[in-house]
Parts: sequence; C-alpha cells; structure tokens
Amino acid sequence: DIQMTQSPSSLSASVGDRVTITCRASQSISNYLNWYQQKPGKAPKLLICAASGLQSGVPSRFTGSGSGTDFTLTISSLQPEDFATYYCQQSYSTPPLTFGGGTKVEIK
Amino acid sequence: EVQLVESGGGLIQPGGSLRLSCAASGFSVSNNYMTWVRQAPGKGLEWVSLIYSGGTTYYADSVKGRSTISRDNSKNTMYLQMNSLRVEDTAVYYCARRNYYGSGSSYPYYYYAMDVWGQGTTVTVSS
Repeated sequence: DIQMTQSPSSLSASVGDRVTITCRASQSISNYLNWYQQKPGKAPKLLICAASGLQSGVPSRFTGSGSGTDFTLTISSLQPEDFATYYCQQSYSTPPLTFGGGTKVEIK
Repeated sequence: EVQLVESGGGLIQPGGSLRLSCAASGFSVSNNYMTWVRQAPGKGLEWVSLIYSGGTTYYADSVKGRSTISRDNSKNTMYLQMNSLRVEDTAVYYCARRNYYGSGSSYPYYYYAMDVWGQGTTVTVSS
C-alpha cells in the first residue's frame, strides 16, 4: 500500500502569511494527488484534484503543485477562513484510498 | 441540490452491530463510486470501504470480514453494515461520492476525488 506523509503536522501562522504544506508519497504516484480542507466539526471539502486542479469555487490563493513523490499545497495569503486541517490523498493505487496524517493550520 | 445525509450512528456495546445509511439526493448512487471514510476522535481521515457502480466492493483491512457495504438503488441509499464492533471503531463516519475528474496520460489514466460528503454520523463503541 502507498503511504502518505504530511509535514508539518501543525503550524501557526498569521493572517496574510504564505503557508506551504508538504505531502510525500512512499512511491511515485505521478500527479494522482488530491487535497482536502476540514474545519472543526465539519466534513472534508475537496480543494484540489490531480495535484494542481483547483476545484470550482475554491479561492485562487490556494495552489497545488508537485509530481512523483513530492507535493505541496500553498496558501499565498492566509485568510481567517483558512484556519483548518488539510489532508492529502493519493488516487494512484486504490484501494486503499490513503490519506496523509493531516496538517493543522492554527492562528498565531 | 447534490447532497448526502448519513444516519444510523449511536452508542453500541463492543461486539454489537450497526447499520449506517447514506441517502443521496441530486444524483444516483448506482451510477457512481461511493465510499465510507471515518475519523476517530482527534485523529485523521481513514478510508473504510468503497463500492463501484458495477457493484464491486473493497474494504480496509481494519474492517474486512466485519463490514459489508451495499446500496439500494430504489431508495438511492448506500449502507455500511458493521458487525463485531470494537472500541477502536469509535469514529465519525462520513459517506462520500468518488467522482471522475478526467483522464490522465499515465497509469492509472483516470482521476478520481471525493467531491460530495455527508455531514457524518457518530459511532461510539463502549461498554
């Protein structure tokens, strides 16, 4: 099974900061990588598909990049509504549908 | 409106059984890949089960042999029957649609992502 590792597991940032979250796959997954945002008590929300494909309605300050084993999710200017936990998920070899452990973005 | 609504969670003793339901509106469960994902308290997301539109089913090792995913096309509803429940099955259970997002130039040639999620139903296994 493909393992997904996210770093950091949490970070503190201020409104307006540029934030970068990293996701690493245990083997090459090309660009078969999705990103989700989850706010407390809510269901996850799909942000990005195929490593860099922004979903309709998702603000352009969110950018996904990467291919192979290393991927990043960047928030160019952190907004108050962006404080949440972010998960990567590989769709290269499924099942199982494996998620990263999550990165919690907190207010500094 | 495209929507998923879960139900059936509750407090159950270890060894007990529970059936979770996921009612869809705005699309057909029979024409889509559907999944169950769970989240233990304070933990990350864990995939549980998947049913393809053709009816093929898959399970995570953690629930294999104890759970059955199914659907009722007439009710446009998906189910997860969970037996021999353990304390470690305690979680919020989400159902989600695994939607097709186009074809790629390399294996596995198709992009999929979970684009519609329910609000979740809580299962607590405790004596």
